[in-house]
Amino acid sequence: GDSVTQMEGPVTLSEEAFLTINCTYTATGYPSLFWYVQYPGEGLQLLLKATKADDKGSNKGFEATYRKETTSFHLEKGSVQVSDSAVYFCALPPTAGNMLTFGGGTRLMVKP
Amino acid sequence: GAGVSQSPRYKVAKRGQDVALRCDPISGHVSLFWYQQALGQGPEFLTYFQNEAQLDKSGLPSDRFFAERPEGSVSTLKIQRTQQEDSAVYLCASSLGQGKNSPLHFGNGTRLTVT
Repeated sequence: GDSVTQMEGPVTLSEEAFLTINCTYTATGYPSLFWYVQYPGEGLQLLLKATKADDKGSNKGFEATYRKETTSFHLEKGSVQVSDSAVYFCALPPTAGNMLTFGGGTRLMVKP
Repeated sequence: GAGVSQSPRYKVAKRGQDVALRCDPISGHVSLFWYQQALGQGPEFLTYFQNEAQLDKSGLPSDRFFAERPEGSVSTLKIQRTQQEDSAVYLCASSLGQGKNSPLHFGNGTRLTVT
């Protein structure tokens, strides 16, 4: 079945450091791919998405490129801020419908 | 309100008690989902409604879990005879449509602790 694998956290960075959070997936066909973010004490929020191969999703300085050849959707940001500290989830929908399968989440901690 | 609203925000139950968790989706959203998120884990799918119809309940872990959405808007997740392993955050999400490009909007969740 469909699955998502994320790098384990926590990831601890200093402010202004470069961020990469790896995500790979197993799915039939070419699904849309999503990154969600969960700030402390809050629900999940959609961060960015890509709907087809080679698409790049971007939002709030974060980017992720849908790589069909490596079945990956790694999340990157050039310069992280303390306010980016949160848990990040990679997700994909099934072949039919829009319920999501989530990765295990990666906690990011950014220190001033 | 503008977003998905869940209540209560926190619930402590003694083992064996029944609990009911409420979700108010965004007005007009057709699809509604319940997820269970254990500590340090990603959300796990429980069940899905399209309007009042429960189209998928394959993720419900046991017959102690029951969900309903009788009028196609507010939904209630009920857990009977709670067990310690039921302790988790229960997330509700809604979306306007059913297609892949219809994003899910999540509530802040209900944190259930079973003692």
